[in-house]
Amino acid sequence: SQTIHQWPATLVQPVGSPLSLECTVEGTSNPNLYWYRQAAGRGLQLLFYSVGIGQISSEVPQNLSASRPQDRQFILSSKKLLLSDSGFYLCAWSAGQGDGYTFGSGTRLTVV
Amino acid sequence: DAKTTQPPSMDCAEGRAANLPCNHSTISGNEYVYWYRQIHSQGPQYIIHGLKNNETNEMASLIITEDRKSSTLILPHATLRDTAVYYCIVSPGNQGGKLIFGQGTELSVKP
Repeated sequence: SQTIHQWPATLVQPVGSPLSLECTVEGTSNPNLYWYRQAAGRGLQLLFYSVGIGQISSEVPQNLSASRPQDRQFILSSKKLLLSDSGFYLCAWSAGQGDGYTFGSGTRLTVV
Repeated sequence: DAKTTQPPSMDCAEGRAANLPCNHSTISGNEYVYWYRQIHSQGPQYIIHGLKNNETNEMASLIITEDRKSSTLILPHATLRDTAVYYCIVSPGNQGGKLIFGQGTELSVKP
């Protein structure tokens, strides 16, 4: 069966520090991969999605970037965190073709 | 922007059916209707999806109107653990289809 792993679960980082969040999927190949962010009390905002290795689409301009170095690995990064980057970050995958998404358990990032 | 409209909140008595409406009047022919829910501090959970026909699984039923401009998610016997924010989303099912979440409906199941 397919599983999605996301870590760490919680993270506290100072302003100006770098960020790297990793997401991996097991049990499938060539998944569509997604990064979402949810600010406190707000809805989920799609940040990036990828349909293949090295293919990244950005949905909103921001202080973050994404990379897909391997088929089942999706990384969210920042060179210098801002206070406004705080939030709940969720990775998700889908097989496409009308299938639903499966979300990871999320990373709660607090920038201080 | 989300292409669906949902009531911001609803209450339901435990053990009764919860009927959550969703309007998607601009849905395209190739777009599916997806329902997800998010329990506080967790990632969204897939519930059900459909294209034209009504669908049922172990969690819920999805009723889609004939013109596909609206749908209803039915939780047949709501429990306290069904308290969550429910999101209705329309999206094409092809490769690269994106789920754009709106504000959803906050369902409170009360004893």
